[in-house]
Amino acid sequence: EIVLTQSPGTLSLSPGERATLSCRASQNISRSYLAWYQQKPGQAPRLLIYGASSRATGIPDRFSGSGSGTDFTLTISRLESEDFAVYYCQQYGNSPRTFGQGTKVEIK
Amino acid sequence: EVQLVESGGGLVQPGGSLRLSCAASGFTVSSNYMSWVRQAPGKGLEWVSVIYNDGRTYYADFVKGRFTISRDNSKNTLYFQMNGLRAEDTALYYCARGRSSSGGPFDYWGQGTLVTVSS
Repeated sequence: EIVLTQSPGTLSLSPGERATLSCRASQNISRSYLAWYQQKPGQAPRLLIYGASSRATGIPDRFSGSGSGTDFTLTISRLESEDFAVYYCQQYGNSPRTFGQGTKVEIK
Repeated sequence: EVQLVESGGGLVQPGGSLRLSCAASGFTVSSNYMSWVRQAPGKGLEWVSVIYNDGRTYYADFVKGRFTISRDNSKNTLYFQMNGLRAEDTALYYCARGRSSSGGPFDYWGQGTLVTVSS
């Protein structure tokens, strides 16, 4: 099983600032099958990024993903009020599909 | 418009059973890769099970032998039969659609149905 470790656990930032979230895998993720999701309280997760760097439909371009192999990053270029949420990475190249433990982006 | 609506959750005693349903609209369940993902209260996301378009099924080790994923093509509905429930199975259970027929990330999610296992 591929273990995904996200850091930091919590990121305290102000609106307008840049957010950088990390996801590290315990082994190589084949074909960059890495996704990022956003989850707000009381809501289902929403797909943001797939294939490590492709934005899902309707996702603003302030969200970007990068990385390959075992190290991946989600960047939010300028935080808006609606971006404060929990973010999860997920690998879907191997079974079982696994999620990271999440990074909470909170208002400073 | 793609929609997933879960139902069937509730309070059950340890050792009991529940059957969750996920009614889909806007696409065909049998043509897609469908999963159940759960989230314990205040915790992160945990993949539980999948059924591929060709009918293959897989389970996380912690539910293997207790839970069964299936679908009814005529009703365009995904099911999750949960037997031998334990306190640690308490969670919000989401059904989710894979972005491609053979897998991929989850591009649509239901709102979840809450399963509480307690005496």
